[in-house]
Amino acid sequence: GENVEQHPSTLSVQEGDSAVIKCTYSDSASNYFPWYKQELGKGPQLIIDIRSNVGEKKDQRIAVTLNKTAKHFSLHITETQPEDSAVYFCAASKAAGNKLTFGGGTRVLVKP
Amino acid sequence: GAVVSQHPSRVICKSGTSVKIECRSLDFQATTMFWYRQFPKQSLMLMATSNEGSKATYEQGVEKDKFLINHASLTLSTLTVTSAHPEDSSFYICSALLAGASYEQYFGPGTRLTVT
Repeated sequence: GENVEQHPSTLSVQEGDSAVIKCTYSDSASNYFPWYKQELGKGPQLIIDIRSNVGEKKDQRIAVTLNKTAKHFSLHITETQPEDSAVYFCAASKAAGNKLTFGGGTRVLVKP
Repeated sequence: GAVVSQHPSRVICKSGTSVKIECRSLDFQATTMFWYRQFPKQSLMLMATSNEGSKATYEQGVEKDKFLINHASLTLSTLTVTSAHPEDSSFYICSALLAGASYEQYFGPGTRLTVT
C-alpha cells in the first residue's frame, strides 16, 4: 500500500519568513495530493491540493509543487503569520475521492 | 461551503460500555464517508470507508465487530465503539466526500473519546 513520509516534524519560523514542508510517497499510481491544516482540538481543513497533471499550484501565500518522477511534493507558505501556526498534514491517494494516506504531520510555529 | 459536524465533541465512558459517534454532512449529500482515528501528536489513521446503503469497508487491523459503522442516510454515518476499553481512548474524526468536479473530503471537528 501507499506510504507517505513528511519532513520536518516540527518547524519554527519567524513571522514574515517562508516555511517549506516536504513529503514523499511510494505508490506511483497516486495522483491526488492534498494538504491539510489542523488546529488544536479540531478536524483537518483542506488548504490546497494538486493533481498529477500539474506541477505547481498557488493560492495567495500558499503554493504546492509536485515532482511525479521523484515522487515528492512540497508545501510552501510565504510571509508567514502567527495564525499559520498549526499542524500541517500532506496526503496522497489514487484519485480525489479515494481513501487518503496521510503523512506524519509537521507542527509549524510562527514566532511574532 | 461544505460543513461536516460530529456529535458529541467529547465523551467519557466507562470500560465495557458502548459509545456512538455521529457524523453529519450539513449542507450536502455524501454517499461516502470516512472514519479516522488520531492519537495525540500523531497522524490520522483510516479506520474504514462508509458507503450509504452498504457495508463499510474496514482497513486491515481494524475490528469490524468492535467499531460498528452504519451509513443509513446520505447525510449521516455513525461509529459505535462497542465494549470500550481504555486503549480505545482517542480522537475520532470523520470526513464526508463531496461528489462533483473536485471530489474533496470535508472533515468533521472530531470527537474525543475517553474510556475510564
